[in-house]
Amino acid sequence: NAGVMQNPRHLVRRRGQEARLRCSPMKGHSHVYWYRQLPEEGLKFMVYLQKENIIDESGMPKERFSAEFPKEGPSILRIQQVVRGDSAAYFCASSPANRGLIANYGYTFGSGTRLTVV
Amino acid sequence: TQLLEQSPQFLSIQEGENLTVYCNSSSVFSSLQWYRQEPGEGPVLLVTVVTGGEVKKLKRLTFQFGDARKDSSLHITAAQPGDTGLYLCAGAPDAGGTSYGKLTFGQGTILTVHP
Repeated sequence: NAGVMQNPRHLVRRRGQEARLRCSPMKGHSHVYWYRQLPEEGLKFMVYLQKENIIDESGMPKERFSAEFPKEGPSILRIQQVVRGDSAAYFCASSPANRGLIANYGYTFGSGTRLTVV
Repeated sequence: TQLLEQSPQFLSIQEGENLTVYCNSSSVFSSLQWYRQEPGEGPVLLVTVVTGGEVKKLKRLTFQFGDARKDSSLHITAAQPGDTGLYLCAGAPDAGGTSYGKLTFGQGTILTVHP
């Protein structure tokens, strides 16, 4: 029973390139969340998606960042024209749809993608 | 905007000592979750507390949710080197609207337990 799968684990990009981070939720989970973590800091919410829908993107920077969760395939977090300040660990989490289950059982996180912009 | 203040930020203790980590907020949360994160890995859920005043025990770890559901604490008894890691609290907003899926995390507590 695979957990949340993120790839790649490590990604190095030059300034100005595009970064694509992928996340496959746990089996049976229809909700996906992306968080960003800077060194020695807690996680900051970026975006919450359901299949083919962005539910809450209040934590996404206004420019260069986008996310999708298509009907088929993994969720993608895309960062265009990366800058050094984008270097961070990006975590994806998934949960079931039921609010009660979320409240009681929390979220399952992937191992993250560590993005380094050089 | 909901904020969670977690303290202390760093904790370095000897094996066998007890410790408490605190999470405080002026906001009410529907639930409060505690995670532990190892270097290079994602957070792993330790416990979720839902009811005000709730206390949950996980072996040597005791978690408490404040009566008003605004704060929480994690107490570790007789700490061991294997407890070393980053501990994160996270609050889920009161149910309603679309924000219920959005966790607010504390800054984390880096715990080091020396043999």
